[in-house]
Amino acid sequence: NAGVTQTPKFQVLKTGQSMTLQCAQDMNHEYMSWYRQDPGMGLRLIHYSVGAGITDQGEVPNGYNVSRSTTEDFPLRLLSAAPSQTSVYFCASSRALTRGTNEKLFFGSGTQLSVL
Amino acid sequence: AQSVAQPEDQVNVAEGNPLTVKCTYSVSGNPYLFWYVQYPNRGLQFLLKYITGDNLVKGSYGFEAEFNKSQTSFHLKKPSALVSDSALYFCAVRDIGSARQLTFGSGTQLTVLP
Repeated sequence: NAGVTQTPKFQVLKTGQSMTLQCAQDMNHEYMSWYRQDPGMGLRLIHYSVGAGITDQGEVPNGYNVSRSTTEDFPLRLLSAAPSQTSVYFCASSRALTRGTNEKLFFGSGTQLSVL
Repeated sequence: AQSVAQPEDQVNVAEGNPLTVKCTYSVSGNPYLFWYVQYPNRGLQFLLKYITGDNLVKGSYGFEAEFNKSQTSFHLKKPSALVSDSALYFCAVRDIGSARQLTFGSGTQLTVLP
C-alpha cells in the first residue's frame, strides 16, 4: 500500500523555469491538497481539490496551477519559478471533508525545491 | 475565518517527565481539531483528532489531547516522554460549519532530553 507518492524528492530550478510536482494516491481519496512548509510559518495551503475536475485556491495560490483529471493524481505546476517559491512541498489526501466523516490527512514525503 | 496558534516554537523536556505542547484556536462555529507529528525528512503523520464527545482524546504513541471550549485550547499531552518523541508537532483546526480545508499552526519543536 503506497499511500501518497510525491516525485521528485529534490529539485533545483533557475528563476523563470517551469516544472511540475507530481502527486499520486492509491486510497481512492476524494480530497487532495498541496501545502508548502516554510520555517516558522507552518504549513500553508496552496490549492486543493474535492474531486476529479474540481479545484480551488488555498491561502497562497499565486504562481501555482493545479488540475485534477483523475481521482488518483493531483499535479502542482510552477509556471515561472521564483526564489520566493523555495520551500518544501507536501501533497496530502483524505476522504471527503464533510461533516462527521472520519477525516484525517495522509501526507506524502515531500519535495524540497530550491529556486536560484 | 479560522486560525490556530502554537505559542511555543520549542519545548524541551527530560525523558520520563510529562510533556505538554500548547495550541489555541479561533473559529466562528464549532471546531474539528487535529494534531500531526513530523519526524525529520518525513511528511506529517496523524496523531489524534477531536470531533465531538469526550473532551479528552487519546491518540497514537500514548499521546492525548484535552479540548477546552471555554479557553479555546487543544493542548497535546503525554504522561511520560520518550527520546523518540522528539519531533515537530502541528496543531490544525477546521470550522465544521464553513471551511473545506485545515488551517495549521506554525509548529512546535519538541526535544526530549535523555
